[in-house]
Amino acid sequence: GESVGLHLPTLSVQEGDNSIINCAYSNSASDYFIWYKQESGKGPQFIIDIRSNMDKRQGQRVTVLLNKTVKHLSLQIAATQPGDSAVYFCAEKSQGNLIFGKGTKLSVKP
Amino acid sequence: GAGVSQSPSNKVTEKGKDVELRCDPISGHTALYWYRQSLGQGLEFLIYFQGNSAPDKSGLPSDRFSAERTGGSVSTLTIQRTQQEDSAVYLCASSFQSGTEAFFGQGTRLTVV
Repeated sequence: GESVGLHLPTLSVQEGDNSIINCAYSNSASDYFIWYKQESGKGPQFIIDIRSNMDKRQGQRVTVLLNKTVKHLSLQIAATQPGDSAVYFCAEKSQGNLIFGKGTKLSVKP
Repeated sequence: GAGVSQSPSNKVTEKGKDVELRCDPISGHTALYWYRQSLGQGLEFLIYFQGNSAPDKSGLPSDRFSAERTGGSVSTLTIQRTQQEDSAVYLCASSFQSGTEAFFGQGTRLTVV
């Protein structure tokens, strides 16, 4: 999920496979992290969050992993579906401000 | 309201004109954020309001940009003397507290011609 130039990195997966989207955050003092999904023409939608006192949190078909040692966040989507196709952003909160990562475009092949 | 509401949804303006974009946050939310998103790009932070505290304006790209939040509720983002590079989607979000999830509006698509 690293940003390359001005274009969003793309992850292409087969329907039914698991997806892993990665994010490197910048501020070691950040204490709250959120993953958002953005579909074309819409505002970002909340998927799952995690606080810095945790290293893993699970939701419905999604899991977020936090590695504070290397300032890394990942989003795992189980049994990826065509409706999961979107751009995914991680966001970190530090002193209240919410800063977004570059984003990864997930493309699901039927 | 049920969610964050932004108006207008689309705005076309001539270069050099001023524009005002409005955001109605979710009732009771104390934190409000403005972001700018160019086509195919990420979310660029502009400004953050939290309760009665002084806003964090560190993301505003120039002095042509300003924002206010009246009565701790509605916010207006103003862009003076618009330029073509200001064309983007402007997104607003609000959250109950600084450490909780933020909910986004649908954005205002600004086109400067």
